[in-house]
Amino acid sequence: NAGVTQTPKFRVLKTGQSMTLLCAQDMNHEYMYWYRQDPGMGLRLIHYSVGEGTTAKGEVPDGYNVSRLKKQNFLLGLESAAPSQTSVYFCASSSPGQGYDEQFFGPGTRLTVL
Amino acid sequence: GENVEQHPSTLSVQEGDSAVIKCTYSDSASNYFPWYKQELGKRPQLIIDIRSNVGEKKDQRIAVTLNKTAKHFSLHITETQPEDSAVYFCAATPMDSSYKLIFGSGTRLLVRP
Repeated sequence: NAGVTQTPKFRVLKTGQSMTLLCAQDMNHEYMYWYRQDPGMGLRLIHYSVGEGTTAKGEVPDGYNVSRLKKQNFLLGLESAAPSQTSVYFCASSSPGQGYDEQFFGPGTRLTVL
Repeated sequence: GENVEQHPSTLSVQEGDSAVIKCTYSDSASNYFPWYKQELGKRPQLIIDIRSNVGEKKDQRIAVTLNKTAKHFSLHITETQPEDSAVYFCAATPMDSSYKLIFGSGTRLLVRP
């Protein structure tokens, strides 16, 4: 199993450009998450999904949109990139289990917005 | 909402010594507290977790303690080794969800050989 994969690994955007980050998991997990990681601020939840066709806002959703059209994929979109969105983005997935299951993370996408 | 504070932000220890990282949380209804380790340039990985009905949990050189009254939990690493050098994150579940995690800001641990 590949686990959780993310594409691309690196990307440089100019202010105002748009892009989509793709997360895929082959563990049949119901729940998927997008985080951003900035120095000294830990991991902050952007959006999450508890199943195919459902999405919800996390701690820092502004400027991002998501879609979960297929159970194995979770897309993160930036419609008009801003320098403040320069960050490392991690996708994660989990299976509900008893409600507190481990989150498995992807390798991350390093995004720079100029 | 839930707020998780983590201390210290950096910790340097001699190989073989113990390391302790502490976290406090604000939501008294939180009931799941995992710890993740992130090596440089890698993804975070779960190393140990504890649920609210347990006060302590051990896994070889790693242990986590939970004090629900004081709303704090700690990670203890004994007999540290250079490969323990990494950033460690604590997390807690907010009241409105048992699957979302609120992370602390991280502790960079350096184990000097």
